[in-house]
Amino acid sequence: EVVLTQSPATLSVSPGNSATLSCTASQSVSTKLAWYQQKPGQSPRLLIYDASTRASGLSVRFNGNGSGTEFTLIISSLQSEDSALYYCQQYYMWPPLTFGGGTKVEIK
Amino acid sequence: EVQLVESGGRLVQPGGSLRLSCAASGFTIDDKYMTWVRQAPGKGLEWVSLFYSGHSKYYSDSVKGRFTISRDTSENTLYLQMNSLRAEDTAVYYCAKVIMGATVAFDLWGQGTMVTVSS
Repeated sequence: EVVLTQSPATLSVSPGNSATLSCTASQSVSTKLAWYQQKPGQSPRLLIYDASTRASGLSVRFNGNGSGTEFTLIISSLQSEDSALYYCQQYYMWPPLTFGGGTKVEIK
Repeated sequence: EVQLVESGGRLVQPGGSLRLSCAASGFTIDDKYMTWVRQAPGKGLEWVSLFYSGHSKYYSDSVKGRFTISRDTSENTLYLQMNSLRAEDTAVYYCAKVIMGATVAFDLWGQGTMVTVSS
């Protein structure tokens, strides 16, 4: 099973600054990685797939990169609406499909 | 409107059974791959089951042998039959649509339905 480790657990960022979220895989997942955003009381929302492809309609403030075992989601010009939990998910080696434990982004 | 609506979640005793439904609208599920993902209270996301190419079905080890995924294309609905329920199955259950083929990421999610397993 591919284990995804997300860091940091919590990230506190001032509005207008950038947030960098990391996802590390226990083995290579090529670029078969997705990122999701989940706000309190809401369903997850797909942000990025294939490590760097933005989902339809997604703001260009969200950028994903990486391959192999190291991945990054960068949110630029942070806004209050970006306060949420963010999860990575791999689909290279499955079953099982696996998610990371999540990073909580807080706006200062 | 393209959407997924789950239903069927409720309080059930340990050892009991439950069937969850996920009604799709705005698209047909017969040419889509569909999945169930759950989230225990205050916890992260956990993949449960996938209905994939050629009617292949996949399950996490934690539910294999107890849960069954199925679909009714005439009703445009995905199901999850849950048997021998345990306290650790307590979670919000989401259905979701796979974005495309081998890209097994999920681009459309339902609002979720809560399953509570407790005596």
